[in-house]
Amino acid sequence: EAGVAQSPRYKIIEKRQSVAFWCNPISGHATLYWYQQILGQGPKLLIQFQNNGVVDDSQLPKDRFSAERLKGVDSTLKIQPAKLEDSAVYLCASSLVGFKNEQFFGPGTRLTVL
Amino acid sequence: GENVGLHLPTLSVQEGDNSIINCAYSNSASDYFIWYKQESGKGPQFIIDIRSNMDKRQGQRVTVLLNKTVKHLSLQIAATQPGDSAVYFCAEPKSDNYGQNFVFGPGTRLSVLP
Repeated sequence: EAGVAQSPRYKIIEKRQSVAFWCNPISGHATLYWYQQILGQGPKLLIQFQNNGVVDDSQLPKDRFSAERLKGVDSTLKIQPAKLEDSAVYLCASSLVGFKNEQFFGPGTRLTVL
Repeated sequence: GENVGLHLPTLSVQEGDNSIINCAYSNSASDYFIWYKQESGKGPQFIIDIRSNMDKRQGQRVTVLLNKTVKHLSLQIAATQPGDSAVYFCAEPKSDNYGQNFVFGPGTRLSVLP
């Protein structure tokens, strides 16, 4: 079974630039999560989708972050404009419906904002 | 708010010894906990879970203990191997009324010495 795919794996940008990350979840997983993991910390949930609807975006900085999952499969997370403090690993995870189902994580995208 | 934390940020053990990683949680209503392992450059990987109606759950070489009286979790790894070197996170459900997802602790780095 293919795992969660993310791209790019690494991205370096300057502050005030824009960046987008892509995630392809495991086939059949209706729930998709985006997490931000700052170095030395645990992952922090940014947004949770079920199919193409948003379940929880309470911790998403909506003035600069946006995410979509238009067809209920792939998802993109965008930052515009980026700030230095956005430097982190952005993890995508997916699971079957029901939050106590195991979440499968992708390898993450490491973002460095200079 | 939630407070899922770890007593020790780093832990070094000799290969073959047993490891114990601790986690404190603050929400006494949490009914489910998960331990994740995150190797360098990878996303977190599910290790084991436990529901609040249990005190102990065993997996392959791992045991999770739950003490609801003091709101404490521990992950025990038997006969620690070099491949166990990673950061370990505990996670508990968010306690707000948003979507159903998890709060991760800050993590403990386990280093296995030869």
